Amino acid sequence: NAGVTQTPKFRVLKTGQSMTLLCAQDMNHEYMYWYRQDPGMGLRLIHYSVGEGTTAKGEVPDGYNVSRLKKQNFLLGLESAAPSQTSVYFCASSSVNTEAFFGQGTRLTVV
Amino acid sequence: AQSVSQHNHHVILSEAASLELGCNYSYGGTVNLFWYVQYPGQHLQLLLKYFSGDPLVKGIKGFEAEFIKSKFSFNLRKPSVQWSDTAEYFCASKERAAGNKLTFGGGTRVLVKP
Repeated sequence: NAGVTQTPKFRVLKTGQSMTLLCAQDMNHEYMYWYRQDPGMGLRLIHYSVGEGTTAKGEVPDGYNVSRLKKQNFLLGLESAAPSQTSVYFCASSSVNTEAFFGQGTRLTVV
Repeated sequence: AQSVSQHNHHVILSEAASLELGCNYSYGGTVNLFWYVQYPGQHLQLLLKYFSGDPLVKGIKGFEAEFIKSKFSFNLRKPSVQWSDTAEYFCASKERAAGNKLTFGGGTRVLVKP
């Protein structure tokens, strides 16, 4: 049982480059979330989804886009990376009656 | 907007001491509440959760939390900590009316000295 899988685990980008982070879950969960974690700031919600084909903004959505074309996948895109987006990114999924299950995280450095 | 506040950013204590971490949430509707733990270099793991029923919730590793609706609080406790409890602890709430939006507090770093 894989749970929530994030790819890649590490990435270094140059300022202005683009990339997509992939989150996949095999628990048939309706809800999926993307967070960023920065020292002293906890986890801040970037975007989330309440089901296939839906997305919603969280606390810090600027500079990110998301898509949920399939129920099991939630993609996070950075169109033009900035050093301020250096962070650890976590994906999570849940159903209405469960806790959120987290992926292992993606450490992104933008230079 | 829904928010979650954790009272302490850093806590230092000795082994066998008791631990209590405060958590307050702002939303007055139906919420589910959680405590997660993050050990250094790892992802978040669930300690315990509250959905309904008995407001005193027991979790893994000897942790428990009490939901007090009138105070909008969900404090985490452990009677006797161990060195292995050194970690960062996060309180979170899931707001049912907002698409199960899951909001975290800022976290509390706990250091247990041997």
